[in-house]
Amino acid sequence: DIQMTQSPSTLSASVGDRVTITCRASQSISRWLAWYQQKPGKAPKLLIYKASSLESGVPSRFSGSGSGTEFTLTISSLQPDDFATYYCQQYNSYSLTFGLGTKVEIK
Amino acid sequence: EVQLVESGGGLVQPGGSLRLSCAASGFTFSSYWMTWVRQAPGKGLEWVANIKQDGSEKHYVDSAKGRFTISRDNAKNSLYLQMSSLRAEDTAVYYCARDGIVVVGAFDIWGQGTMVTVSS
Repeated sequence: DIQMTQSPSTLSASVGDRVTITCRASQSISRWLAWYQQKPGKAPKLLIYKASSLESGVPSRFSGSGSGTEFTLTISSLQPDDFATYYCQQYNSYSLTFGLGTKVEIK
Repeated sequence: EVQLVESGGGLVQPGGSLRLSCAASGFTFSSYWMTWVRQAPGKGLEWVANIKQDGSEKHYVDSAKGRFTISRDNAKNSLYLQMSSLRAEDTAVYYCARDGIVVVGAFDIWGQGTMVTVSS
């Protein structure tokens, strides 16, 4: 199975900060990567698909980049609503796998 | 409104069985692959299984193979997960999610989840 490694596991930031989360795949997944946001007690929400395509309705401060084995999710200016846990997920193979998550906390 | 609503969760003893259901509305259910994802308490997300539009193709995470069966009824706009030989480590919130039409693997619509607790 393809392993997805996210870093950092926790990130402390302030409103207005630029935030970057990294996701590394154990083998090349081309651009078959999605990013999700999850808040406590809620279902995940798709933010980015195919590494850099913004899901409809998602604010433009979210962006994704990368290909192969290294990917990033960037929040250009952190807003109060963005404090949450973020997961990457590969879909290069039929055995789909998620990263362990990055919790974005208020500094 | 596009919506997925899970049901069927609850408390079950180790070794027992449970059937989860997911009712879809607001979109053409039969056009999409569908997926189950679970989340153990305080843990991350784990993909469990997915199923093709006509049910002809199914895939499972290794820990579910031989114990779980995913199925669907397009006439009823419903997705199912039959779980047997349940273990404590299957305790989780189970989400159904809408997958793709051609490209499989990015889940754009999620249900609210149903809790499964495996305990004696």
